Amino acid sequence: DTEVTQTPKHLVMGMTNKKSLKCEQHMGHRAMYWYKQKAKKPPELMFVYSYEKLSINESVPSRFSPECPNSSLLNLHLHALQPEDSALYLCASSQDLASGSYEQYFGPGTRLTVT
Amino acid sequence: ELKVEQNPLFLSMQEGKNYTIYCNYSTTSDRLYWYRQDPGKSLESLFVLLSNGAVKQEGRLMASLDTKARLSTLHITAAVHDLSATYFCAVERAAGNKLTFGGGTRVLVKP
Repeated sequence: DTEVTQTPKHLVMGMTNKKSLKCEQHMGHRAMYWYKQKAKKPPELMFVYSYEKLSINESVPSRFSPECPNSSLLNLHLHALQPEDSALYLCASSQDLASGSYEQYFGPGTRLTVT
Repeated sequence: ELKVEQNPLFLSMQEGKNYTIYCNYSTTSDRLYWYRQDPGKSLESLFVLLSNGAVKQEGRLMASLDTKARLSTLHITAAVHDLSATYFCAVERAAGNKLTFGGGTRVLVKP
């Protein structure tokens, strides 16, 4: 199974709502990532989890809160978002650094619209 | 700060002809990745280039890496319509597998 799954596919939320994005992989990967991609732009790294611990936070506003409940799951909790946060949110995973394989596998993304 | 530049940003191709996309990066890195993205879709991994002089080929696509020149190329041979997509190169930053993406090259193959 070389698939990263994300739910929901689409999400519309108001600025006062709280919602969560979910990501799951069953490839035994120990690194998981959240990216944000605006239209016609490249993905921008938000967070990296390595062995279920947050290893990188790219100065993301606190209205985005990541969580890694176990090695297969990655969540992104959303609260008090702004319209400019509307984007495609991509999850990715890769094997741990020690294995020497760094290729990141991306999920299909969640299209988020903040109204 | 690592910067990754792709050119051209847009490439209109004729079927059957050959084209090259260039990816330059600003600091030393030994790992470079090429991804394809169809409109509204996720990123599909095309190539992983791990060392200087690495060359990989898959179908009509061939990628190479020159770490001394800090340059990677993605060569398209005899373009076909199915290759229409946006192509991104991405360079790994310092330890931690942080990827910095180039701006992307939007490819449109016309009959």
